[in-house]
Amino acid sequence: ETGVTQTPRHLVMGMTNKKSLKCEQHLGHNAMYWYKQSAKKPLELMFVYSLEERVENNSVPSRFSPECPNSSHLFLHLHTLQPEDSALYLCASSPLEGELFFGEGSRLTVL
Amino acid sequence: GENVEQHPSTLSVQEGDSAVIKCTYSDSASNYFPWYKQELGKRPQLIIDIRSNVGEKKDQRIAVTLNKTAKHFSLHITETQPEDSAVYFCAASRGGGFKTIFGAGTRLFVKA
Repeated sequence: ETGVTQTPRHLVMGMTNKKSLKCEQHLGHNAMYWYKQSAKKPLELMFVYSLEERVENNSVPSRFSPECPNSSHLFLHLHTLQPEDSALYLCASSPLEGELFFGEGSRLTVL
Repeated sequence: GENVEQHPSTLSVQEGDSAVIKCTYSDSASNYFPWYKQELGKRPQLIIDIRSNVGEKKDQRIAVTLNKTAKHFSLHITETQPEDSAVYFCAASRGGGFKTIFGAGTRLFVKA
């Protein structure tokens, strides 16, 4: 247990569905992140929030919409996804300088 | 954009042998270099890190070396054990978690 909790752990959705991934951290960190992990690819940084403000958006398609209502919670809203979006989505948190603490991930399958 | 290259993508060693994984980075402003281990079906976890003011760091069977001039850094695992089998990711950033860019990963198999 690293103090970063992600729900749901598994999600199957159709291309027309709308769903959300949730991340919660109890470590008192100031920064939270969404990473995408696909087979045989590096961990891809999607979004970074620092003190609840988005500071990084790595050219992620608009069908992914992040939300950070407070420093402990991070959401990733999903709509009209494509099959190639199927992946493991990892949330992480960190102090402003220091290591990343990852959640267990949400395994997403888009049919 | 900035990137981190990691080699090899797969590494198989006999138990007790050493394993070496190498990475290069492109952002000369990078000053923090962590290594993460991800076991099958689990989250990545930090195993060792090094900052740019240090050339080498060791923690039991694991060591990391950094050559800032060449923008290379390496992970060395000695006396490998089956439980070392996992995917290892190198990463580089300008200051901790922010803008951490990961390498593609190395799948290490340690044969008993």
